[in-house]
This record gives sequence, structure tokens and C-alpha cells, in this order.
Amino acid sequence: ETGVTQSPTHLIKTRGQQVTLRCSSQSGHNTVSWYQQALGQGPQFIFQYYREEENGRGNFPPRFSGLQFPNYSSELNVNALELDDSALYLCASSFLAGPGLIDTQYFGPGTRLTVL
Amino acid sequence: AQKITQTQPGMFVQEKEAVTLDCTYDTSDQSYGLFWYKQPSSGEMIFLIYQGSYDEQNATEGRYSLNFQKARKSANLVISASQLGDSAMYFCAMREVAHNFNKFYFGSGTKLNVKP
Repeated sequence: ETGVTQSPTHLIKTRGQQVTLRCSSQSGHNTVSWYQQALGQGPQFIFQYYREEENGRGNFPPRFSGLQFPNYSSELNVNALELDDSALYLCASSFLAGPGLIDTQYFGPGTRLTVL
Repeated sequence: AQKITQTQPGMFVQEKEAVTLDCTYDTSDQSYGLFWYKQPSSGEMIFLIYQGSYDEQNATEGRYSLNFQKARKSANLVISASQLGDSAMYFCAMREVAHNFNKFYFGSGTKLNVKP
């Protein structure tokens, strides 16, 4: 069974640029969630995708957007990068039996984004 | 108000002893899930244990148990027989489902150091 994978592992961008991060979900999972973890803090929920649609969102501006593909992999896109976007971006996958139910999320190793 | 509060930024425990990591939560939902994750210095978030709001018995997973006190809104993690490999950050998290729209909240974490 393959776990959650993320690419790239590290990335350096400059302010104003755009970035795309990728996540492959664990085998058998149908849901992907994205988190931002600044240094020394707990992860902050960005959004969740279930069956290719956004199924939940935290307090992040619209320049944070995402996609989920038919194979349940996902992308996180961030436009107009700001210095404060520097963080570890974690992807988590889960199996959600249906809307309104609780899922257990399993995390990937993360992508470290540095914005200069 | 904070959704998840972890009041212990750092904890020390002697190897082979038990330790309790505190977590309180705030929600008005009837249905929610509580989770504990471990994050070693490598950065990957490791799922430890889950407790559903309707579960009457405390969850246990090997050396981990969750002391769930619903009326007090607390979900403390108990690690028995601590090992050196338990040294890591520990995060308490909560999943809310409102109108089939999911939100996930993490606390600020507790850094556990296990002393030989």
C-alpha cells in the first residue's frame, strides 16, 4: 500500500510568483486536505476536496486554490506569493464514506516553501 | 475563542514513565471527531488515535489512550511506558462537520522530551 506522497520536497520562490504543489493520495482514499504549517505553529486547514469538489475551507484568501483529479490526487495553487506564505505545506488523504461523516487523515511528508 | 487549546508548550518525562498531554476544545456541534498526531523533527505528521464525540468508551491504541471528558470538553492523550522515540511535537486536532462542510482545527502543540 502506497502512502501519501508530495512533490516537490523543497521549493524557493520570489514574492509575486505563483506556485503549484502536488499530492498523491494513499491507495483507497477519496479525499485530500491541505494544510499550512508555519515554523513553530500547528497546521492551519486550507481546504479539503472530496470527489473532485471543495468540501471544506479554512480562513485562507482566494489566491489559495486547489484541484482534485479523478484518481484523487490533488494540487494546491498559490498565486501572488507573499513572504508570509513561507511554510511547510502538508497534504493529507482519507477515506470519506459520505458527506457529514468523520474521516481519519493520513499525512504526507510535506513541501517546504520559501518565499524570498 | 480558540477551537483547540494545548496549554503545555513543553513537557519532560522519564523513560518508561507515563505522561499526559492536555487538550481542551471548543465546539457547539454534536458530532465531531478528536485526533492526536505526532510530529517528529523530520516533519511528517503521524496519526496516533481518534475519538468520536458519540463514543462512550475512551479510545486506546497500544501505548496511547485518549482520556475523553465530554462535559469538560477535554481530550487528553496518555502515553504509557514512554520511550526515547516518543520525543516529538504532539498535536491535538478536531474535526467539525457543519452542513456537510468540513473544518479541521489543530492546537499549537506540545513538545515532549523523553529523558533516559
